Amino acid sequence: QSALTQPASVSGSPGQSITISCTGTSSDVGGYNYVSWYQQHPGKAPKFMIYEVNNRPSGVPDRFSGSKSGNTASLTISGLQAEDEADYYCSSYSYISSATYVFGTGTKVTLL
Amino acid sequence: EAQLVESGGGLVQPGGSLRLSCAASGFSFSSHWMSWVRQAPGKGLEWMANIKQDGSHKNYVDSVKGRFTISRDNTKNSLFLQMDSLRADDTALYYCVRDINWGFDSWGQGTLVTVSS
Repeated sequence: QSALTQPASVSGSPGQSITISCTGTSSDVGGYNYVSWYQQHPGKAPKFMIYEVNNRPSGVPDRFSGSKSGNTASLTISGLQAEDEADYYCSSYSYISSATYVFGTGTKVTLL
Repeated sequence: EAQLVESGGGLVQPGGSLRLSCAASGFSFSSHWMSWVRQAPGKGLEWMANIKQDGSHKNYVDSVKGRFTISRDNTKNSLFLQMDSLRADDTALYYCVRDINWGFDSWGQGTLVTVSS
């Protein structure tokens, strides 16, 4: 049940696109299409941004998109805006000896 | 709109116990799996445990198996986390969350647990 691996930080200029990776194993990210993504601003609870790899809940801008290839999932933010500056976490369903969930290490997105 | 309100956090000595509660409203509580997720100060998110709609099935992360027990009372729209044998590394903000589509769509504001002598 090791945490999924994310880059510690990613930065971009307003209007640019950035991609955050989330690497796991065949027991989690690679084995199931059950990857989700969360945005967390300082002092706030996380917000649900993407589910089942590439689906957006109602109200999430279409600037946010998800994908997966093998054991690595990705979150892309297009047209970066000031309010996108936050911490982002991936999560995946995981099954080794029992059903659990595992979160990523987290990525801080900074606007240049 | 779903609302989740946690309570029960506080300061406890190592080896002690604490029971967290979560009051749910705004949705059909008995229709959803529910989870606890924690976040140590300045650290990332860590999934702790979840429980099936009728309470018949529970899953835990290895680090809390045998020490924490998740439960629910659908008649009171409430979720609980009994935490025993607490350690310093259990210090964190504990969130009550609703499971949906293999993710977590609604979060409370959290209740802070501090384990220290």
